[in-house]
Amino acid sequence: SQTIHQWPATLVQPVGSPLSLECTVEGTSNPNLYWYRQAAGRGLQLLFYSVGIGQISSEVPQNLSASRPQDRQFILSSKKLLLSDSGFYLCALSGQGGSYEQYFGPGTRLTVT
Amino acid sequence: QQQVKQSPQSLIVQKGGISIINCAYENTAFDYFPWYQQFPGKGPALLIAIRPDVSEKKEGRFTISFNKSAKQFSLHIMDSQPGDSATYFCAVEGHSNYQLIWGAGTKLIIKP
Repeated sequence: SQTIHQWPATLVQPVGSPLSLECTVEGTSNPNLYWYRQAAGRGLQLLFYSVGIGQISSEVPQNLSASRPQDRQFILSSKKLLLSDSGFYLCALSGQGGSYEQYFGPGTRLTVT
Repeated sequence: QQQVKQSPQSLIVQKGGISIINCAYENTAFDYFPWYQQFPGKGPALLIAIRPDVSEKKEGRFTISFNKSAKQFSLHIMDSQPGDSATYFCAVEGHSNYQLIWGAGTKLIIKP
């Protein structure tokens, strides 16, 4: 079965500091991968998605970037965090074969101070 | 931009009652309509999904009702329990690469 790992689970960072969040998946190959952000009490905002190694599409222009160096690894980065970057960051995958079903990881709670 | 309108924003239901959450969409070409359940501090989890070739799908206490002509679908939770207290999101398929377009979410509270 598919498993999604995210770390760290929680993170407190000062404004202007860099960021690196990692997502790794198991039990599937060549998945579509997604980064979402969820502000407190709000809905899901799609940030990036990837259909393969090195292929990244951005949905929202911002100071974040994403990379997919390996098939099962998806990284979210920032060079300088803003207060508005605080939120709950979720990695998700969808499988092959025409499946729209998305499976989510446990998330990373980021607080920018 | 395509949107999914979800209502209500929040809902309080007595234990044993029926919880109903609604979603409306714009594009008649969509053909996948899931509902996700999210507990505080956790990632959303797929609860139930429907395709437009049927008008209703039931899994245990959870039912999706689908009205293609009205471009609406709803989640019904029968015999609601305190453990059902969570935020519920509807979604529809996106344009490409298996993206989902998400509703804004409904915070459901089941009172014991």
